[in-house]
Amino acid sequence: EAGVAQSPRYKIIEKRQSVAFWCNPISGHATLYWYQQILGQGPKLLIQFQNNGVVDDSQLPKDRFSAERLKGVDSTLKIQPAKLEDSAVYLCASSLVAGVGKNIQYFGAGTRLSVL
Amino acid sequence: DAKTTQPNSMESNEEEPVHLPCNHSTISGTDYIHWYRQLPSQGPEYVIHGLTSNVNNRMASLAIAEDRKSSTLILHRATLRDAAVYYCIRSNTGNQFYFGTGTSLTVIP
Repeated sequence: EAGVAQSPRYKIIEKRQSVAFWCNPISGHATLYWYQQILGQGPKLLIQFQNNGVVDDSQLPKDRFSAERLKGVDSTLKIQPAKLEDSAVYLCASSLVAGVGKNIQYFGAGTRLSVL
Repeated sequence: DAKTTQPNSMESNEEEPVHLPCNHSTISGTDYIHWYRQLPSQGPEYVIHGLTSNVNNRMASLAIAEDRKSSTLILHRATLRDAAVYYCIRSNTGNQFYFGTGTSLTVIP
């Protein structure tokens, strides 16, 4: 079974530039998550989708971050314009369904973003 | 998640048991407790999860305190491949994960 795919693996940009990350979840997984992991810290949830609808985006900095999940499968996360503090690993995860709290999330390898 | 705390680092000798503690004193009655581990340059990987009762699987055991304010992940025989950062996680009814501070486990040959 193929896992969660993310691209690119690495990205280096200058501040004020824009950047986009792509995620393809495990086939059949209705729920998709984007996390931000700053060096030395645990991942922090940015946004959660159920199919192509947003369930929770309370921790997404909406002035510069946006995400979409067209057709309820692939998802993209965009930052525009990037700031130095956006340097982090961006992780995508998917699970069969949301709700209850016991569902296992499967993570991709992440995209490491460096903002110079 | 500031409400879920773990020791920064721990060491274990190879083939000995390891007990990784987690404090989640403000956990709600419906939050699940998950444990994931993360190797360098990889995403977190599922280890085990539970609600109230102790749980066992092929990878590890999870012991949950009766008041649910703490839990312990038990690796029965540590191997070099178990060296990783271990995260204790609260998962709410919406399946949103709130990661703890993480424990970096070093396994000594």
